[in-house]
Formats: sequence, structure tokens, C-alpha cells
Amino acid sequence: GAGVSQSPSNKVTEKGKDVELRCDPISGHTALYWYRQSLGQGLEFLIYFQGNSAPDKSGLPSDRFSAERTGGSVSTLTIQRTQQEDSAVYLCASSFWLAGGLGTQYFGPGTRLTVL
Amino acid sequence: SQQGEEDPQALSIQEGENATMNCSYKTSINNLQWYRQNSGRGLVHLILIRSNEREKHSGRLRVTLDTSKKSSSLLITASRAADTASYFCATAPGTSYDKVIFGPGTSLSVIP
Repeated sequence: GAGVSQSPSNKVTEKGKDVELRCDPISGHTALYWYRQSLGQGLEFLIYFQGNSAPDKSGLPSDRFSAERTGGSVSTLTIQRTQQEDSAVYLCASSFWLAGGLGTQYFGPGTRLTVL
Repeated sequence: SQQGEEDPQALSIQEGENATMNCSYKTSINNLQWYRQNSGRGLVHLILIRSNEREKHSGRLRVTLDTSKKSSSLLITASRAADTASYFCATAPGTSYDKVIFGPGTSLSVIP
């Protein structure tokens, strides 16, 4: 597609349920990023993929969070046993991998997650 | 202060005035980027400045980078109401592309 897409755009769930968020990056972008943004706050880095591998998962807030990327394209972020503090907008971005530094990131519109 | 911390946190100006936002960071970087966010959703890339560059222009935007002070500034000239948004700087320490850091942002309001 022309840009990064994310689904769903909004998700309301009950505390304790699992949710799966999807990100479709720009075709050809090898790098993919997940961020979380709470209301009125900056972006919290969660995880980065280069191809299908994530070199460092320490940015994930807890072991309830996991992410995968298959085929070097679509990525899913899964949150198990959701808590109210997980409520936020989850943003995905993709970029070409730039050998000399961080590549320009193209962001999706985000998924607004509300945990009741 | 945090890596990629912007100041001021909020800025309100009249249309036509210039707006200056600053960003400070802590570690060595290869480049620094500025992004704009409208309505709390997806961010839009504005400009990238490499560590060996001191100044860069793009339309009404001017970015400077001072690696000795670990700081950058974004200047928007002749501001318009449509420039109302939050502005963030982003860095990745050294070659650690898996540790992207965005600052808390500067909220800019341009009053018509």
C-alpha cells in the first residue's frame, strides 16, 4: 500500500482479555517499530524489527507484551491479560534500514486501545 | 533531563511569528529527526539532520544541530494556523537503532 496501515483503529476490551494489534508496513521497508503513546505524552519505544528479528526486546513494558513479524512484512503486537494501564495509542512505523543511522520513519495512524 | 527532551513544553504564538523549539539529548548520535503530530495520531517526518551537519533547511523549517552541546533547534518561520501541532525530536544512540528515543514534545499553538 501507499503507507503504513494499522488495524484495528480502535479497540475496546475488558481487563484481563488478550488483544492483538496489526501493522502493515510500507512495502520494501525492512525496519519496523512499535511505540506506545499515552494521552498527552511522548512516544514510548517498545520494539524494533530488522527483517523478522528483534535484536532487543527490553523495551516491552512487561512479559504480557510480545511482538512478532513474519515474512519481513506484517507485524503483530499482542498484549495478554490486558490491564487498564495498557490503555494508550499504539503506533507502528517502518523505514528503510539506513547503515549510517536511524532511517526516516513513516508512521501508521495508530490503534487506540481502551481497557475497561 | 531525558534523551530527546524538547523545550518549551508548550508554545503559543500569533500567526506570522516565528516559533523556535529546542531538543537536548545525552548520547552520541548519527542523526536527529524532527516529527510533527496532529490530533494525537500518526507522526509525520519533517526533517533529518546528520551528525556532521550543522544546519539544514526545508521550506519554512530550519534545523540546527550542535553536537558539542548535544542539542538541536527547530525554527518555523512565518507560522500559520495549520502549523498548530506537537513537535518531537527523535534520536537513536550511536548505532543502536533498536533504542529510538522520542522526547515528550513541544505543543505549538498558532493563533490566527
